[in-house]
Amino acid sequence: GENVEQHPSTLSVQEGDSAVIKCTYSDSASNYFPWYKQELGKGPQLIIDIRSNVGEKKDQRIAVTLNKTAKHFSLHITETQPEDSAVYFCAAIDDYKLSFGAGTTVTVRA
Amino acid sequence: EPEVTQTPSHQVTQMGQEVILRCVPISNHLYFYWYRQILGQKVEFLVSFYNNEISEKSEIFDDQFSVERPDGSNFTLKIRSTKLEDSAMYFCASRLSTDTQYFGPGTRLTVL
Repeated sequence: GENVEQHPSTLSVQEGDSAVIKCTYSDSASNYFPWYKQELGKGPQLIIDIRSNVGEKKDQRIAVTLNKTAKHFSLHITETQPEDSAVYFCAAIDDYKLSFGAGTTVTVRA
Repeated sequence: EPEVTQTPSHQVTQMGQEVILRCVPISNHLYFYWYRQILGQKVEFLVSFYNNEISEKSEIFDDQFSVERPDGSNFTLKIRSTKLEDSAMYFCASRLSTDTQYFGPGTRLTVL
């Protein structure tokens, strides 16, 4: 089955700086890669996703890039704000079920 | 905006007891999932459900687990005889026809 690795496990950034989280996947057949944000006491909330026929997707301060050849994808958050502090999970689709990375705890320092 | 809801938010039970975790998926969605997250570990797939039957299940989803869609709105996960290692956060998710899955807030299950 699919194996997703995510780095780093924790990330502390100064407010206004950028944050980058990287993930790799193992199954070259995977074609859908969502990113979820999880705040304390809440379930994962989809923030952006990308399909394998696209190399990059942007939504305001959030962007995701995908390199199919290398089997890795990344989340970029620009101009970070305190409300960006949360746990972020990458995932890859594997026969319609999601395989998740281990999560990155992002802390934005004011 | 429609959302997935789950009840209860926290369930405490004694080892060996049966628990039922409840989910109300987004109303027009067709595919339903249960995932779990043991503290400090990855979110793991348990089971997917479509057209009133299990589509796929993981190795974790053994005979102690069952799922049901008893009516047009609820989707339940039953654990027949809970073990200490069943303590986890359980998430329900649903999707319509695209790949995008929407997650509920989770139920924290504590087995004593």
